[in-house]
Amino acid sequence: AQKVTQAQTEISVVEKEDVTLDCVYETRDTTYYLFWYKQPPSGELVFLIRRNSFDEQNEISGRYSWNFQKSTSSFNFTITASQVVDSAVYFCALSEANYGGATNKLIFGTGTLLAVQP
Amino acid sequence: DAGVTQSPTHLIKTRGQQVTLRCSPKSGHDTVSWYQQALGQGPQFIFQYYEEEERQRGNFPDRFSGHQFPNYSSELNVNALLLGDSALYLCASSLGTTWGTGWTEAFFGQGTRLTVV
Repeated sequence: AQKVTQAQTEISVVEKEDVTLDCVYETRDTTYYLFWYKQPPSGELVFLIRRNSFDEQNEISGRYSWNFQKSTSSFNFTITASQVVDSAVYFCALSEANYGGATNKLIFGTGTLLAVQP
Repeated sequence: DAGVTQSPTHLIKTRGQQVTLRCSPKSGHDTVSWYQQALGQGPQFIFQYYEEEERQRGNFPDRFSGHQFPNYSSELNVNALLLGDSALYLCASSLGTTWGTGWTEAFFGQGTRLTVV
């Protein structure tokens, strides 16, 4: 069975601090996708990144970076120099490989509430 | 280009009643997925519609049913509401693919907040 664990329920940092959100996943599939989504108070899930299981290269996008390690089944997300606007709930998600004719379902973790204090 | 739109935004129902939630997908998308997000939890997959048929279903009882129309919009129906059905219901739209063509991104709406009293 597929499972995503986000052990950090809440994190509070002061603006300009770096913060890392942890994500550990379980799957028996050899081909899968991993995601991070941001959920602001408005409720809409905002897509941040997708990685496939064959690409372990770390990725950086502005202040955001992601560390994918298959050996430890982890896909961690780091925000550098955090800002108040980063305050939101962040979800890590997992999906199996493409299912014929339709997009696959996402398995979400329970989320990490990030509060960035000014 | 309008994104995914859901209606209504908020809804209050009484136990035992039935409710219908609606979703219009992003322009050009033909696949609609529904998720239930209880307070403090991650979204849970309910089911997915593609070409007007239910293609995948999560671990939800038959009280949860859906429909997709020829214009790809979709409805989620919940019968015999329970207090535990109170949640944010999210709709995600995407473009269906054929085998081996990889992932297509899902875009989410802002959700319908359902409260059952």
